Amino acid sequence: AQSVTQLDSQVPVFEEAPVELRCNYSSSVSVYLFWYVQYPNQGLQLLLKYLSGSTLVKGINGFEAEFNKSQTSFHLRKPSVHISDTAEYFCAVSALGNEKLTFGTGTRLTIIP
Amino acid sequence: NAGVTQTPKFRILKIGQSMTLQCTQDMNHNYMYWYRQDPGMGLKLIYYSVGAGITDKGEVPNGYNVSRSTTEDFPLRLELAAPSQTSVYFCASSSGLVTDTQYFGPGTRLTVL
Repeated sequence: AQSVTQLDSQVPVFEEAPVELRCNYSSSVSVYLFWYVQYPNQGLQLLLKYLSGSTLVKGINGFEAEFNKSQTSFHLRKPSVHISDTAEYFCAVSALGNEKLTFGTGTRLTIIP
Repeated sequence: NAGVTQTPKFRILKIGQSMTLQCTQDMNHNYMYWYRQDPGMGLKLIYYSVGAGITDKGEVPNGYNVSRSTTEDFPLRLELAAPSQTSVYFCASSSGLVTDTQYFGPGTRLTVL
């Protein structure tokens, strides 16, 4: 079975400050990990994904995430946020051999001017 | 290239009514998915399809039906609407493997009263 936990339902951050959105997963086999972003009143779009290789993954809009196998985490980071980053962010996992994604409950990122 | 389109954008149903949510993609993707998004619950997979004529249940299929007669279209049918089906519904498509990016439509907001 695969599962993913996003402990922070809401994260407020001042504009131009750094941010980290946390994601932890559970699986008995190797996993693929994803971060999707949902801007207000839109569908989800892919930010970045980890499939194999380098544990530091760079995505769109200046976001990056680090896969940490020992801590079963895949936290999302950005060094300096902008108002346009206001959105809901979803972490997702797929265990090797499973053709479906399991999404976390999402973290709403609010940027404070 | 419109990507994934969904109709309608909004709908209010009375208990017991039926309706079909339409989903069309123009990317020639084999895989298509239906998710529902409830506040604080993330996305749950309702049904998915790996090609025309092939569908399978996801995590929360009860109360829904699907068909896939063409590569482009993947309609979701609600036969007897219940208040528990009030949600935002997203259709998505991907070219194949779970490692491929899923492309989401803009969603249908359904309220059952």
